[in-house]
Amino acid sequence: GNSVTQMEGPVTLSEEAFLTINCTYTATGYPSLFWYVQYPGEGLQLLLKATKADDKGSNKGFEATYRKETTSFHLEKGSVQVSDSAVYFCALRVGVTGGGNKLTFGTGTQLKVEL
Amino acid sequence: GAGVSQSPSNKVTEKGKDVELRCDPISGHTALYWYRQSLGQGLEFLIYFQGNSAPDKSGLPSDRFSAERTGGSVSTLTIQRTQQEDSAVYLCASSHLGPGAEQFFGPGTRLTVL
Repeated sequence: GNSVTQMEGPVTLSEEAFLTINCTYTATGYPSLFWYVQYPGEGLQLLLKATKADDKGSNKGFEATYRKETTSFHLEKGSVQVSDSAVYFCALRVGVTGGGNKLTFGTGTQLKVEL
Repeated sequence: GAGVSQSPSNKVTEKGKDVELRCDPISGHTALYWYRQSLGQGLEFLIYFQGNSAPDKSGLPSDRFSAERTGGSVSTLTIQRTQQEDSAVYLCASSHLGPGAEQFFGPGTRLTVL
């Protein structure tokens, strides 16, 4: 079956520190990969995505590269801000004919950025 | 607003009672998904609607869980004879059809079963 494993949180960083949140996956077929973010009191939002091997998704200074050889999609940001404090979810999607595009999520990693 | 809305935002119920959770998707979105976010379990898929039909119900945890969608719009998730392990945040998402379509999530309903 399909599964996503991401690093345990919480992660606490100082502002302007470098961020890496690890994510690895197991999937049948050729998945698309996603990072979602959940800010305090808000709903899940798509942060970035990559649909095939070696693609790099990027948004708001965050990046992640789809690595098929290591089945990974690690999230990185060079300089975090207090406003990046949120819960980050790695997810995959394997399209199934007639079955929609359901997402398989990791357990989430809470990030706290301090001044 | 034009986003996905869910009601109620919070629901506290007693064990054994039935509950109904509502989702209003973005207008025009044919696909609708229910997910559950439990403590320590991450987000789990429950059911997928394409229009009013549900071709994928594989994530429903037991026959106490059911869902329907009417008019290709509003969806209701019903949990009968609630148990404490049903306590979670229930999320709804909607999207257009197609493999590249982005899912837009609602704010969720936090269900607490006492």
